[in-house]
Amino acid sequence: SQQGEEDPQALSIQEGENATMNCSYKTSINNLQWYRQNSGRGLVHLILIRSNEREKHSGRLRVTLDTSKKSSSLLITASRAADTASYFCATDPARKLIFGTGTRLQVFP
Amino acid sequence: KAGVTQTPRYLIKTRGQQVTLSCSPISGHRSVSWYQQTPGQGLQFLFEYFSETQRNKGNFPGRFSGRQFSNSRSEMNVSTLELGDSALYLCASSPRPQDEKLFFGSGTQLSVL
Repeated sequence: SQQGEEDPQALSIQEGENATMNCSYKTSINNLQWYRQNSGRGLVHLILIRSNEREKHSGRLRVTLDTSKKSSSLLITASRAADTASYFCATDPARKLIFGTGTRLQVFP
Repeated sequence: KAGVTQTPRYLIKTRGQQVTLSCSPISGHRSVSWYQQTPGQGLQFLFEYFSETQRNKGNFPGRFSGRQFSNSRSEMNVSTLELGDSALYLCASSPRPQDEKLFFGSGTQLSVL
């Protein structure tokens, strides 16, 4: 079974709006990562947050982590059409990277 | 620096055949992992190699195997193909197994007819 579940499964917004995706996981973690995947292509690493961190920023990305609730969120601010992609959270229990189900983000110009 | 290269990009096979997929990691990266992505099961870990040794394995049948060469290039093999093996197979590399950030190739899209 998958370690992470993401919500929502799909999200459609207009350019300039913010997009928020949530990820829940099941076991304790050392870190949580977010990856982006453009249609049918490989994944691109976006950001990593460690278990002792609560929030991290990278450009227009903001990630939060709540280990007590076993959840994380990814916020993309001022979205662009180029942000259209699927976004996955990933955790690493026992050195096997386990991905969530993904959120499909569609940003309309 | 060139990224992770996977060949071929697309592959069509029939049930019962076997297939070999190739992955060349980023220069200097010695750890290679393989993942299977399907619409139903999502992204699932297959195995990880470092220094020509399999370090970790996911929950896949023995029909799925892999190896890594001394130049860190890796291959995965699937024997006796089944319809359910149709998937995007992704290879990822990192400098060392303990490096958390993975660099992915574009994948091989395998269709089993």
